[in-house]
Amino acid sequence: GNSVTQMEGPVTLSEEAFLTINCTYTATGYPSLFWYVQYPGEGLQLLLKATKADDKGSNKGFEATYRKETTSFHLEKGSVQVSDSAVYFCALVKTNAGKSTFGDGTTLTVKP
Amino acid sequence: DVKVTQSSRYLVKRTGEKVFLECVQDMDHENMFWYRQDPGLGLRLIYFSYDVKMKEKGDIPEGYSVSREKKERFSLILESASTNQTSMYLCASSFLADGQFFGPGTRLTVL
Repeated sequence: GNSVTQMEGPVTLSEEAFLTINCTYTATGYPSLFWYVQYPGEGLQLLLKATKADDKGSNKGFEATYRKETTSFHLEKGSVQVSDSAVYFCALVKTNAGKSTFGDGTTLTVKP
Repeated sequence: DVKVTQSSRYLVKRTGEKVFLECVQDMDHENMFWYRQDPGLGLRLIYFSYDVKMKEKGDIPEGYSVSREKKERFSLILESASTNQTSMYLCASSFLADGQFFGPGTRLTVL
């Protein structure tokens, strides 16, 4: 079956540091890949997506590239802010029914 | 602005009560989902629906049922609430295989 493995957290960084959160997936064919962010006490928000190999999704300074050869979709940001502190989820979707497979989430804390 | 709304942010019920959690989306999405989120267990899919009156079990459907009579509304029903159903419940919707839009969540406590 499908699965998503995320880098284990928690991750703690200083403001303006470089962020990488690793995500690898197992699925047949060509799933669509997503990153979501969840701030405390809220639901998840779609952060970025990529639907085919070599696509780069980007939003709010975050980027991730769909790498078919390594089955990866790592999240990166060049300079994190305190306001980026949240839980980040990697996910894949394979069918039009939209059923997603989520990773376990990675908690990011950014200190001033 | 697209929106998924849930009927309550916080809910307290007693063991054995029948509980209804309502979710409404205004994006004309075919797909709707109910998840529960517990510390250390991530997001777990309870049920999903890909069309009106259509539903499929997710990973943990036991103790729950759902209803989708209209495209915009997807209800989660706890037939007889138990303390182990105390959790954060998240509703989401999506257009086909696109990303999901989530509601703010309902924190349910069963006493």
